[in-house]
Amino acid sequence: GAVVSQHPSRVICKSGTSVKIECRSLDFQATTMFWYRQFPKQSLMLMATSNEGSKATYEQGVEKDKFLINHASLTLSTLTVTSAHPEDSSFYICSGGASGGWETQYFGPGTRLLVL
Amino acid sequence: AQTVTQSQPEMSVQEAETVTLSCTYDTSESDYYLFWYKQPPSRQMILVIRQEAYKQQNATENRFSVNFQKAAKSFSLKISDSQLGDAAMYFCAYRSPPLRGNEKLTFGTGTRLTIIP
Repeated sequence: GAVVSQHPSRVICKSGTSVKIECRSLDFQATTMFWYRQFPKQSLMLMATSNEGSKATYEQGVEKDKFLINHASLTLSTLTVTSAHPEDSSFYICSGGASGGWETQYFGPGTRLLVL
Repeated sequence: AQTVTQSQPEMSVQEAETVTLSCTYDTSESDYYLFWYKQPPSRQMILVIRQEAYKQQNATENRFSVNFQKAAKSFSLKISDSQLGDAAMYFCAYRSPPLRGNEKLTFGTGTRLTIIP
């Protein structure tokens, strides 16, 4: 199957700082990328959907000014958590899908964010 | 909006035995896609199996098969000859067809599967 990477895999930061997470599709062009958040022992919650070259579509309740998403190329999307606070600590997962058909979403390995 | 329900938060099975994980969903659409994903302790989401709603034949992937009951909106996963490596969190997911322009997945709450040696 297709491979999606995420970097970093784990990050610890101080409250008030910004953190950027990269999501790359390594062997396919991801016209659409999705960002999820997962709390311990819970399911994945979709935060936003991004299409290459256009603005991301955020799910209800997700602050677009806090979670900045950029999808500048067909292989790279970034999520920036601005002015992070302890309540932003979570596991963030991205996935990528190709255009057309019903290609499966391929998931990255996730990034664990801890805000102190 | 579509919803996906997994009524079994935890399941356990003896190694080499068969186990079935339940999933029901609610939708007004006639065409859609259903998936089972596995999330082991590494937390990497791995596709297990997928089913297109217009296909009556149940999908099968080696030891994994589904029982898709469209009228009942049920999509259960059967794991045969359970192995220790099958221990994971299993998520059922729904997706609308691409033509509707909405490719996002709606996930159930998950079932934690334990394999007993």
